[in-house]
Amino acid sequence: DTAVSQTPKYLVTQMGNDKSIKCEQNLGHDTMYWYKQDSKKFLKIMFSYNNKELIINETVPNRFSPKSPDKAHLNLHINSLELGDSAVYFCASSHIAGSAYEQYFGPGTRLTVT
Amino acid sequence: AQTVTQSQPEMSVQEAETVTLSCTYDTSENNYYLFWYKQPPSRQMILVIRQEAYKQQNATENRFSVNFQKAAKSFSLKISDSQLGDTAMYFCAFMIPRGADGLTFGKGTHLIIQP
Repeated sequence: DTAVSQTPKYLVTQMGNDKSIKCEQNLGHDTMYWYKQDSKKFLKIMFSYNNKELIINETVPNRFSPKSPDKAHLNLHINSLELGDSAVYFCASSHIAGSAYEQYFGPGTRLTVT
Repeated sequence: AQTVTQSQPEMSVQEAETVTLSCTYDTSENNYYLFWYKQPPSRQMILVIRQEAYKQQNATENRFSVNFQKAAKSFSLKISDSQLGDTAMYFCAFMIPRGADGLTFGKGTHLIIQP
């Protein structure tokens, strides 16, 4: 069983398009996250979300928006894609109510904008 | 704001040797968590080990152990009896257990295990 899954694993699209990446976790966790890994492998938090709050990293353009239909899903929508959006995007989840805090990551989605 | 520094961009050791990866962090918080994540070429992020700041005892997981020095804000990872499968990027990460805060990562160390 895949604990945190993302679809698609690879996404190639043109500038200006709108795209979505889906994330699902079956761990029963209460908090989900999106991270961006750039070409130098640097990982940076984009969003954190649980049923109480959405935390947005202030450096994330408002073209990026998380959508959570339920506790097990946190999808990432990106409007008007730009070349600089090319990166690997990771979804993660954790159970902060249980004070565990370790985050489990999905396999990543490599987004290429041409 | 918290920062995490990994000063070794790349390291290379022979198989079966012991290797230590360095990590320092900066925070004014007293309660926090520290993690080491491994990212092999498959790009999957794998949790290696975690340490709670309030625990004085260093965490260990099989061949992996940490040297946590809270006063020095240092959190190094020791890999004993290194194996070819340990070849990967290793990321040190910091987290404050407050609401839905995410992880703050260092820039990573590329560890290469030579046969």
